[in-house]
Amino acid sequence: AQKITQTQPGMFVQEKEAVTLDCTYDTSDPSYGLFWYKQPSSGEMIFLIYQGSYDQQNATEGRYSLNFQKARKSANLVISASQLGDSAMYFCAMREGGNYGQNFVFGPGTRLSVLP
Amino acid sequence: GAVVSQHPSRVICKSGTSVKIECRSLDFQATTMFWYRQFPKQSLMLMATSNEGSKATYEQGVEKDKFLINHASLTLSTLTVTSAHPEDSSFYICSARTPLAGGQETQYFGPGTRLLVL
Repeated sequence: AQKITQTQPGMFVQEKEAVTLDCTYDTSDPSYGLFWYKQPSSGEMIFLIYQGSYDQQNATEGRYSLNFQKARKSANLVISASQLGDSAMYFCAMREGGNYGQNFVFGPGTRLSVLP
Repeated sequence: GAVVSQHPSRVICKSGTSVKIECRSLDFQATTMFWYRQFPKQSLMLMATSNEGSKATYEQGVEKDKFLINHASLTLSTLTVTSAHPEDSSFYICSARTPLAGGQETQYFGPGTRLLVL
């Protein structure tokens, strides 16, 4: 069974608009971490934002925020004020077992295209 | 989707010894593989790009002589941590680049290897 689900294989957004990329996860481990990565065409994985399962508040990093709904097991990424440089693949990932957990699972990714 | 495996998944070794980590693409050929390192609550840090049949390209600050990378075949890349020290303890993840239809490419990641150096 998929541990990380990203139901949007591709998304389009107009420049300067906000966009939400969906991510749901499945785990029975009470301690886990959720990550979002951006992967431009260069191939490098760029870390965007992290949310720990025990974190009380939603994580924010500049234009990125994570809408963490623990009961629903969702961790959607919100990008505000989209820029052309935001066009890339975005991966949601989960690490089970806390910081020293071993299982690192990525979702299939969402390709975001920002339109001028 | 394509599968990338790593072995071992977890290793504990003594300081001064060498550890080899294997990364295999199981159902596709990968001319390019990547090795990442990750500390707790931090992003993956790209260590090197491994190209089949040629020398690896290391990122700035990564010691070539300490982290030996060999990509001898289209399905196997190895990372050897030589003379390991406790500060080398980390989570190492490989990924393999593969083409998709339409000229796109993607990377599939291995599950990672947890290294603990005592």
